Amino acid sequence: EIVLTQSPATLSLSPGERATLSCRASQSVDGYLGWYQQKPGQTPRLLIYETSNRATGIPARISGSGSGTDYTLTINSLEPDDFAVYYCQHRRNWPITFGQGTRVEIK
Amino acid sequence: QVQLVESGGGVVQPGGSLRLSCSASGFTFSSYGMHWVRQAPGKGLEWVAFLRSDGSNKNYADSVRGRFTISRDNSKNTLYLQMNSLRAEDTAIYYCTKENSGWYYFDSWGQGALVTVSS
Repeated sequence: EIVLTQSPATLSLSPGERATLSCRASQSVDGYLGWYQQKPGQTPRLLIYETSNRATGIPARISGSGSGTDYTLTINSLEPDDFAVYYCQHRRNWPITFGQGTRVEIK
Repeated sequence: QVQLVESGGGVVQPGGSLRLSCSASGFTFSSYGMHWVRQAPGKGLEWVAFLRSDGSNKNYADSVRGRFTISRDNSKNTLYLQMNSLRAEDTAIYYCTKENSGWYYFDSWGQGALVTVSS
């Protein structure tokens, strides 16, 4: 099973700042990595798939990058709506697994 | 628009069974693989099971293999999860999810069904 480790656990930032979230895999996931946002009381929303492809309706200030075992989700110019928990997920092989999440909170 | 509506959640004793249903609309259900993903209270996301669009291929998390069975009825646009031998650690919100065109990411989620395993 591929283990995804997200860091940091919590990121405290102010609106307008840039958020950089990390996801490290226990072995290469060959770019087969996605990101989700979950707000309190809501279901997760797909943001990024296959490392860097934005899902429908996701703004360009949200981007993904990485390769091999190391991946990054970048959110430029944080808006109030961006403060949430973010999860990475791989599809390299079975079982699909998620990271434990990074909480982006208002500083 | 895509709608996924789960039903069948509830409280069950350890060792008991429950069947979840997910009614789908707003897309061609028979063309998409479907998954169940769960989230224990206050915890992260855990993938549970997958079923291919035509039902020919399925896969399970190790934590549920042999106890849970995923199935679908494409004529009724419905996905199912039969859960047997339930344990306390199966307590979670169970989400029905649609994958994005065979890429094994989840682009649509139901509101979830809460399953509580407790005596």
